[in-house]
Amino acid sequence: SQWGEENLQALSIQEGEDVTMNCSYKTYTTVVQWYRQKSGKGPAQLILIRSNEREKRSGRLRATLDTSSQSSSLSITGTLATDTAVYFCATDDTNAYKVIFGKGTHLHVLP
Amino acid sequence: DMKVTQMPRYLIKRMGENVLLECGQDMSHETMYWYRQDPGLGLQLIYISYDVDSNSEGDIPKGYRVSRKKREHFSLILDSAKTNQTSVYFCASTAGQLSNERLFFGHGTKLSVL
Repeated sequence: SQWGEENLQALSIQEGEDVTMNCSYKTYTTVVQWYRQKSGKGPAQLILIRSNEREKRSGRLRATLDTSSQSSSLSITGTLATDTAVYFCATDDTNAYKVIFGKGTHLHVLP
Repeated sequence: DMKVTQMPRYLIKRMGENVLLECGQDMSHETMYWYRQDPGLGLQLIYISYDVDSNSEGDIPKGYRVSRKKREHFSLILDSAKTNQTSVYFCASTAGQLSNERLFFGHGTKLSVL
């Protein structure tokens, strides 16, 4: 998980495998966004899931949101070496009008 | 083309020098942000700008100031840079002022303060 006392996570898998990354959050959020950051680049949004949605799909990506447990997951099916990146989840602090990022998960997909 | 552009990409400065990081966006976005990213710490919010001359401190504003005189430009200024300000700095923008919108990020500026 990306929040709480957990440190930055790292995962190493073989190309073609499926992977699921998790994050948990502490305060109410209206959306969870997942971002991917490739080496030397800025983060880019992959998927946004709203608090009234349980699941959202986009191509090989699937995001879930469980507001009762305040957790979200991002799954990638049939990973490619080009999926190697750091994946962040982000929630919104509606009181402070700002986005809060988790510390991220390093995913390394071996060809 | 929807783009956030940061200049320069790399910068080396000596401690005590002034630093100017510039950011531009071509999407007429209202809100712009400056983050810094350090290993193991993720993205830390320095400042938010909700529009021209409407700026707000983020989580780590100390040692930084910002300027936004045109909607499409947002500058981050380090007066008398310190070695602990060595980091990668990212600018981002969102269309509106809500915190549940997609952020568009630039490629970052890698700053080294010697």
